[in-house]
Amino acid sequence: SAVISQKPSRDICQRGTSLTIQCQVDSQVTMMFWYRQQPGQSLTLIATANQGSEATYESGFVIDKFPISRPNLTFSTLTVSNMSPEDSSIYLCSVVGQFEQYFGPGTRLTVT
Amino acid sequence: EDQVTQSPEALRLQEGESSSLNCSYTVSGLRGLFWYRQDPGKGPEFLFTLYSAGEEKEKERLKATLTKKESFLHITAPKPEDSATYLCAVQPNTGNQFYFGTGTSLTVIP
Repeated sequence: SAVISQKPSRDICQRGTSLTIQCQVDSQVTMMFWYRQQPGQSLTLIATANQGSEATYESGFVIDKFPISRPNLTFSTLTVSNMSPEDSSIYLCSVVGQFEQYFGPGTRLTVT
Repeated sequence: EDQVTQSPEALRLQEGESSSLNCSYTVSGLRGLFWYRQDPGKGPEFLFTLYSAGEEKEKERLKATLTKKESFLHITAPKPEDSATYLCAVQPNTGNQFYFGTGTSLTVIP
């Protein structure tokens, strides 16, 4: 299994500002995933982050809005840029094991 | 198009009252179907992976089954601590994407 930690656990931000979310895994992994979970909705994949290469973004998500870093095999950051109230959500970091997927505790973001 | 539908959206059970949650899916080719439990304010916690029709997995009061079109999560004699949102996800056999349902919010009343 993998243990994943995220920082911050929650934050309240003003519109127009940016927030960087950190994700730390207790083992080396090739791919890390960033999800968004909006109230009452399912998890939506934002991007896949591979170490040493640019992240791959899903339809509807762009690098300028959600830049991702992956400096090593245990760490990644997701930045939510130029925030608006529509960005209020829970952001989750995830890794895939041999047969399952593990999630971090999430970062609850509120944009006012 | 790959998609996952869970029902019901919410379920209230008396303690000890067994029931089932449904996950219907459409996928071009299934690599795996996953069940998760999510408590408020926490990330999803992995429960089961099912790979082929007819497969079953059990853990304590939970049993997951899989057909070619849907999966069931059976809860036998639930307890209040089983209250949570249960999420279903499928992974197609191409790519790394996981498609999630919106979940079933289960409340078990003492």
